[in-house]
Amino acid sequence: GQSLEQPSEVTAVEGAIVQINCTYQTSGFYGLSWYQQHDGGAPTFLSYNALDGLEETGRFSSFLSRSDSYGYLLLQELQMKDSASYFCAVSSDSNYQLIWGAGTKLIIKP
Amino acid sequence: NAGVMQNPRHLVRRRGQEARLRCSPMKGHSHVYWYRQLPEEGLKFMVYLQKENIIDESGMPKERFSAEFPKEGPSILRIQQVVRGDSAAYFCASSPPVATGGTETQYFGPGTRLLVL
Repeated sequence: GQSLEQPSEVTAVEGAIVQINCTYQTSGFYGLSWYQQHDGGAPTFLSYNALDGLEETGRFSSFLSRSDSYGYLLLQELQMKDSASYFCAVSSDSNYQLIWGAGTKLIIKP
Repeated sequence: NAGVMQNPRHLVRRRGQEARLRCSPMKGHSHVYWYRQLPEEGLKFMVYLQKENIIDESGMPKERFSAEFPKEGPSILRIQQVVRGDSAAYFCASSPPVATGGTETQYFGPGTRLLVL
């Protein structure tokens, strides 16, 4: 089957760095995506990794290790507006849908 | 280029009524996905459609739920004889044509919050 695991909640301090991990099990893995969702809002796309390594986009970076079936989202210089839920999702060549993790709620304290 | 549009944003129904949720994908997108999200939970895939074709409905309950994406007009998610457990946020996402062996980035609409009294 296909499954993803990510922590349910992470707490960090404004200005700090936080890492949200995601491990997955899937056959025919193709890529790992990250989405952000604020309370009451819609998920918005953050990043996509198909190859091993780190992808940087401003304060956010995403990492993938295909051999370890593991990825993470790294948020730097945390701001209060980064308080949201973050979802990892995998795509595989066995189907066209994204399989979603349960989400990590990021709580940022001043 | 307008984003994914969903309406209504909020829908209240009494038990036994029908709920009809609409989704207009982004311009140029021919693929639509419907998800359900309960409070404090992740997204649960329901159905994946192309124009006039259901590709994958493995996440949709077999009874009372149906979806369509006609040649003209928005995609419709229909829930018949709603029950309180159907109360949730329903998100629609769209993507460009999907290349073989991959998945294109999905762009989400604002969602429809369904409340069943």
